[in-house]
Amino acid sequence: AQSVSQHNHHVILSEAASLELGCNYSYGGTVNLFWYVQYPGQHLQLLLKYFSGDPLVKGIKGFEAEFIKSKFSFNLRKPSVQWSDTAEYFCAVRYTGGFKTIFGAGTRLFVKA
Amino acid sequence: EAGVAQSPRYKIIEKRQSVAFWCNPISGHATLYWYQQILGQGPKLLIQFQNNGVVDDSQLPKDRFSAERLKGVDSTLKIQPAKLEDSAVYLCASSPEASGYEQYFGPGTRLTVT
Repeated sequence: AQSVSQHNHHVILSEAASLELGCNYSYGGTVNLFWYVQYPGQHLQLLLKYFSGDPLVKGIKGFEAEFIKSKFSFNLRKPSVQWSDTAEYFCAVRYTGGFKTIFGAGTRLFVKA
Repeated sequence: EAGVAQSPRYKIIEKRQSVAFWCNPISGHATLYWYQQILGQGPKLLIQFQNNGVVDDSQLPKDRFSAERLKGVDSTLKIQPAKLEDSAVYLCASSPEASGYEQYFGPGTRLTVT
C-alpha cells in the first residue's frame, strides 16, 4: 500500500539551529511531493512542492527540500530556524497514476526563543 | 481572494446521532477534497470531487458517511449514525483545475462524539 513516513513526531530546537525533517514514501511510480505547514491556530498551507526538474526546491520563509529519487525521500530543511517556525509540518505525496494525495503523520516543531 | 469556508467550526454530538458539515471552496476551483484528521495523525482523504463527479471515495465509510457536491461548487459531508471513533477534525480543501493538485485548506470542523 502507498504510504508516507515522517521520522520524527516531535522536534525541539533553539533559535538559529538548523532543521531537517525526514520524509520517505513507498514506491509507486512518478510522484508529486509537497510539504504543508500548520501554524498554531491557522489553516494548513503549502510550504513548497516538487513536480519535476531541479530536485532541490525552495519554498516560503527560507525553507527548502531535496527530492532524492533513489531513496524515495523528500526531506525538509532550513539552515536557521526562528521562533515563528513553531508549527506542525506535513509531508504529502501524490502518486501521478491516481488521484489521491497521501499525508504523513506530521512533525511538531517547537523552537525555543 | 476568499479562502475555503467551512461550517460549523465545532460540533458536539452523541453517538448514533447524525451530523452534517458544509464547505464552500475557493471560487473557480474544480477539485474539492474532504479529509478526516484524527488527533496525532495526518489528514486522511475521505472523498475527492472533480467538478461534481467523484474521482476517489475509496476510504469513505459508505455505510455511515455520504458526501455530495451539487452544481460543482459547495459540498456537504454527512455522518449518520456517528460513532465515537468519528471524533476528529474534518478538513475541506480545494484545488484549481491545472494546479498540479496543490491544495488550499479550510479551517476545519472539530467533531466530538460522546
